Amino acid sequence: DVKVTQSSRYLVKRTGEKVFLECVQDMDHENMFWYRQDPGLGLRLIYFSYDVKMKEKGDIPEGYSVSREKKERFSLILESASTNQTSMYLCASSFRRREQGYEQYFGPGTRLTVT
Amino acid sequence: AQSVAQPEDQVNVAEGNPLTVKCTYSVSGNPYLFWYVQYPNRGLQFLLKYITGDNLVKGSYGFEAEFNKSQTSFHLKKPSALVSDSALYFCAVRKPGNQFYFGTGTSLTVIP
Repeated sequence: DVKVTQSSRYLVKRTGEKVFLECVQDMDHENMFWYRQDPGLGLRLIYFSYDVKMKEKGDIPEGYSVSREKKERFSLILESASTNQTSMYLCASSFRRREQGYEQYFGPGTRLTVT
Repeated sequence: AQSVAQPEDQVNVAEGNPLTVKCTYSVSGNPYLFWYVQYPNRGLQFLLKYITGDNLVKGSYGFEAEFNKSQTSFHLKKPSALVSDSALYFCAVRKPGNQFYFGTGTSLTVIP
């Protein structure tokens, strides 16, 4: 059973704080993703990683950075949190090759509130 | 532009009736299409996918989806809705390079 875990379910931070969100997967997936989910906007990709130390910007990377030092772990960093980063953050992972299936497996999400 | 659209924010259906949740896509080349479901306070769960082959794809919990190339659609269907199917449903399409576009989601309510 694929498992994707996220470090926190709920997080409250102050404006200007540095925030770390961590994600761990146990399926040896090459790909890992960070999305934010907002009502009426669906899921928007922040960053994507296809291998250790490799990353690509998604649709909304501004104000975020990521780190992937180990295959199973993908961290999202908010360098200086702002109120417009209040959102639900979802991590996902998947295989990279078509024959293994491209479907993503999601963590339970972290609801971040920035005050 | 490459994207996916879910034209209905909300779908209501009576328990036992068939349900359809609509999705259209716009992507170059052969599309790889997916449906996910999100129950309250949970992450998304994979339901089914179309990669190639039969246009009718069967997935988890009795759901199926029909790929229609001429109409660029991938509608999610179920012959008989259950109250427990009430959830948020997302359609997604894979872009070249392993990234995905997600639709804005459709909230399904099954009325007892």
